[in-house]
Amino acid sequence: EVQLVESGGGLVKPGGSLRLSCAASGFTLSSYSMNWVRQAPGKGLEWVSSISVSGTFIYYADSVKGRFTISRDNAKNSLYLQMNSLRAEDTAVYYCASQKVGSTWYRGYFDYWGQGSLVTVSS
Amino acid sequence: DIVMTQTPLSLSVTPGQPASISCKSSQSLLHSDGKTYLYWYLQKAGQPPQLLIYEVSSRFSGVPDRFSGSGSGTDFTLKISRVEAEDVGVYYCMQSIQLPLAFGGGTKVEIK
Repeated sequence: EVQLVESGGGLVKPGGSLRLSCAASGFTLSSYSMNWVRQAPGKGLEWVSSISVSGTFIYYADSVKGRFTISRDNAKNSLYLQMNSLRAEDTAVYYCASQKVGSTWYRGYFDYWGQGSLVTVSS
Repeated sequence: DIVMTQTPLSLSVTPGQPASISCKSSQSLLHSDGKTYLYWYLQKAGQPPQLLIYEVSSRFSGVPDRFSGSGSGTDFTLKISRVEAEDVGVYYCMQSIQLPLAFGGGTKVEIK
């Protein structure tokens, strides 16, 4: 069975750091671009960051650029999101999602999603 | 950046009746490779989103044929031919022709 499982969420104070992990099973992560998408409480989906198969290409939403770092370890079939300088507005459920690669590394649909990891930034 | 705008914000539908959701993009989603990078997702309560439609009109594996997508360029539509109780949730369109990737604001579908 294909699964993506996020971990590492929790309560953190403003200015603090957290590292999210996303472990894949049932498929090989190294065939997919990977993404983080977040959803603030009661709000819609917000794309956060993408990383290419090899990790060569990376892109961030302006809202997290300079504070968040996406990375992957294909040998461990895992994706990561290092989140620094966290703000109240970063409070959200964070989903990892695999992306079927199309004509380029960021073009393709998100086919598998994890259940999400809740990050709460509050003093 | 491409902005995705969905209408309506919410929809209340009688079971067995059709439903239609509109998604407009601020730039064309048609690429020179001939593909249009527009997708539809459904997020049911307490669950992650699930892919329904890719490249405007192709149904993802296992998606019932009552779901259909259409459109071109900047204007797209998701139609449910006969709404069922299990179709309740929030529908999102998404573009991936250009970074940053972007989702529409969502359309909540409920049953009357």
